[in-house]
Amino acid sequence: NAGVTQTPKFRVLKTGQSMTLLCAQDMNHEYMYWYRQDPGMGLRLIHYSVGEGTTAKGEVPDGYNVSRLKKQNFLLGLESAAPSQTSVYFCASSASRGASANEQFFGPGTRLTVL
Amino acid sequence: ILNVEQSPQSLHVQEGDSTNFTCSFPSSNFYALHWYRWETAKSPEALFVMTLNGDEKKKGRISATLNTKEGYSYLYIKGSQPEDSATYLCAFGGATNKLIFGTGTLLAVQP
Repeated sequence: NAGVTQTPKFRVLKTGQSMTLLCAQDMNHEYMYWYRQDPGMGLRLIHYSVGEGTTAKGEVPDGYNVSRLKKQNFLLGLESAAPSQTSVYFCASSASRGASANEQFFGPGTRLTVL
Repeated sequence: ILNVEQSPQSLHVQEGDSTNFTCSFPSSNFYALHWYRWETAKSPEALFVMTLNGDEKKKGRISATLNTKEGYSYLYIKGSQPEDSATYLCAFGGATNKLIFGTGTLLAVQP
């Protein structure tokens, strides 16, 4: 049981390049989330998904796209990377709301640098 | 705009000291309040999830209380140890599927 995994762990991009971050979970969770973490800013929600085939915008969605084609995977895409997207990206998942009150399980993070 | 505030931003204590942090959150549309422990170079791990006003949760030397009417939660660590050094995050769960995170309290415990 791997929990939540993220690939890659590190990446350096040049401005204007594109890339996709992959998040996978093996807990059969309905909800998945992408956050970015910047110094002094805490965790900010980029996009999230409440189920396979559905996505929604979070607090800071601009410059990112997501897809949830399979329940276990949640992809975060950067079409044209900018230096402002240099950050640590965390994926999380949670079961449907209920007794767990939406406890989220986090992946190990992806450190992205855009030059 | 929903705001979750934590204080202090950072805290340095000696081994054996007891300490506490505060999390303030909106008192309306409350669903749950979460505490996470986040060690450097790792990912956040859930400590507590609290849903009822007056809830108290305990895990070893760490405990938390919840006041939903006034919108605050306290996290207490009794007899701090160096391995308690981490950032402690709180997160507010309201009427949506999302959590709103505070910026955390960074705790450093000196041996």
